[in-house]
Amino acid sequence: EIVLTQSPGTLSLSPGERATLSCRASQSVSSGYLAWYQQKPGQAPRLLIYAASSRATGIPDRFSGSGSGTDFTLTISRLEPEDFAVYYCQHYDSSSRTFGQGTKLEI
Amino acid sequence: EVQLLESGGGLLQPGGSVRLSCAVSGFTFPTYVMSWVRQAPGKGLEWVAAINGGGGITYYADSVKGRFTISRDNSKNTLYLQMNSLRAEDTAVYYCAKETTKYSGTYYYYYGMDAWGQGTTVTVSS
Repeated sequence: EIVLTQSPGTLSLSPGERATLSCRASQSVSSGYLAWYQQKPGQAPRLLIYAASSRATGIPDRFSGSGSGTDFTLTISRLEPEDFAVYYCQHYDSSSRTFGQGTKLEI
Repeated sequence: EVQLLESGGGLLQPGGSVRLSCAVSGFTFPTYVMSWVRQAPGKGLEWVAAINGGGGITYYADSVKGRFTISRDNSKNTLYLQMNSLRAEDTAVYYCAKETTKYSGTYYYYYGMDAWGQGTTVTVSS
């Protein structure tokens, strides 16, 4: 079973700054099966990135994903006030899915 | 517009049962894999179960295997989660999610959980 470990647990930044969030897999995974989600308090998660680096429909280009093997990164180039939320990475396998524990991005 | 609407949650006793429903609209339901994902209070996301478009293939997290059953009625555009032998640790918000996958003949392409419901709360307590 693949375990996803996200770091840091909490990231404190200001609007306009760059955010770099990490997701490390316990074993090498296909980049095609790695996704990122954003969740705001009281809301359902929202898909941001699929296949490690492809933005989902309607996602601003300040969000970008990269990585391969065991190390993946979500980058937000210039933080907007609405970007402060919790971010999860997720791995897909035909018979299971796994989420990381999340990174809270706070002001 | 894609919409998913969960229902059926509530306050349940340990050992009890409940069936959650997820009514969907705005997409061709039988052609999509669907999942249930839960979130315990103050915790992260946990995948619970998935079902293929035809309903004949199901997968479960180890934490619910043998207790929960995912199913779907494509004629009613509805996804279900039958939850039996409930435990306190099943307390969570339960979300249904639409997953987009495509099979090329040799490789599955995964496009993520691209639509979610608003969630329904299940509380297991005596």
